[in-house]
Amino acid sequence: QKEVEQNSGPLSVPEGAIASLNCTYSDRGSQSFFWYRQYSGKSPELIMFIYSNGDKEDGRFTAQLNKASQYVSLLIRDSQPSDSATYLCAVKSGNEKLTFGTGTRLTIIP
Amino acid sequence: DAGVTQSPTHLIKTRGQQVTLRCSPKSGHDTVSWYQQALGQGPQFIFQYYEEEERQRGNFPDRFSGHQFPNYSSELNVNALLLGDSALYLCASSLEAGGRDTQYFGPGTRLTVL
Repeated sequence: QKEVEQNSGPLSVPEGAIASLNCTYSDRGSQSFFWYRQYSGKSPELIMFIYSNGDKEDGRFTAQLNKASQYVSLLIRDSQPSDSATYLCAVKSGNEKLTFGTGTRLTIIP
Repeated sequence: DAGVTQSPTHLIKTRGQQVTLRCSPKSGHDTVSWYQQALGQGPQFIFQYYEEEERQRGNFPDRFSGHQFPNYSSELNVNALLLGDSALYLCASSLEAGGRDTQYFGPGTRLTVL
């Protein structure tokens, strides 16, 4: 059973600070890694994807991947109240299905 | 450029009934995946359609079936509804890219079974 683990939170971060979200996965064959943001009552929205070890930056978001440790993280710099949402980590191996974690609920405190 | 669309938005059914949910993929996409998301959980993979064939299936009973049409749109059918089928049903579309495809979600259909 391939698993993706996330701390369910809630994670509370002051406005303007860095929010750090973490995810571990069990399948060493995993090749593609995704972060989705989901507001309450809405569908998941793709934020970042990463395939290679290291960091990938897009605006205020940075995804970090460490395949040896089977660990992927998402950093949100200069956190804004609009960043308050549930963040879903998802992992895929080749043409296989996308496997999601249960999500981390993030709250940005003004 | 239209994104992924789903219909209906909300649906209320009773136990034992059957339901059909519809999805139109993002322009240029050829692959459709369906997910079930229960409250407080991550999306669970139901199945994926590519070239009008079911390519992969998750751990869901045969009551869940689907179809993909030549225009890449798709339907999800659920027979003999159970209370536990109440969930947000999500459709995601992507362009087949040899394992490097990125899935984009539609707004979802909220199904309530009474």
